[in-house]
Amino acid sequence: SQQGEEDPQALSIQEGENATMNCSYKTSINNLQWYRQNSGRGLVHLILIRSNEREKHSGRLRVTLDTSKKSSSLLITASRAADTASYFCATVGYIPTFGRGTSLIVHP
Amino acid sequence: DAGVIQSPRHEVTEMGQEVTLRCKPISGHNSLFWYRQTMMRGLELLIYFNNNVPIDDSGMPEDRFSAKMPNASFSTLKIQPSEPRDSAVYFCASSATEKETQYFGPGTRLLVL
Repeated sequence: SQQGEEDPQALSIQEGENATMNCSYKTSINNLQWYRQNSGRGLVHLILIRSNEREKHSGRLRVTLDTSKKSSSLLITASRAADTASYFCATVGYIPTFGRGTSLIVHP
Repeated sequence: DAGVIQSPRHEVTEMGQEVTLRCKPISGHNSLFWYRQTMMRGLELLIYFNNNVPIDDSGMPEDRFSAKMPNASFSTLKIQPSEPRDSAVYFCASSATEKETQYFGPGTRLLVL
């Protein structure tokens, strides 16, 4: 399966710290997408990184992609309590396939 | 654009009843996905459509589940008969193409008693 697997499953940090989540996968991909889900809500797209890209930024978010290692990371800098959510990676071969997610708690 | 619209937002029904979930994708999007999310199994893709045509329904649990997309602006997911193990949050998502960013609806929280 090309399903992405996020690591860690849960992450608890203090406000102001950086949060790093990782995603590993097994087969070649067209692109990789990161999503956020607040409790009781639908998933919201954060960043899409294509297989020929190595890094992308969006505000406090930084995503890297290493296709040789079949892994990606999502870095949230200067975290805020409002960043508390679950974060999912979706690996896209012919369609997106979602992992189980990382649950992030940011303590004020 | 109003985004992806799902109805109902909550559904409580009794085992054996028919349940119909509805989705209106974002206008202009060609791909539509139905997902089920539970604590045990995470987010599972049930079926997806391209240009109103079902492309991959390998995730549909069994014959009790069926999905249709009669036109570009409407899709339904039907469970008949429903069972307690079908209790979950069902999401609809649409995208311009099947490989691009997906936009999720708010979900339908289904409880089968």
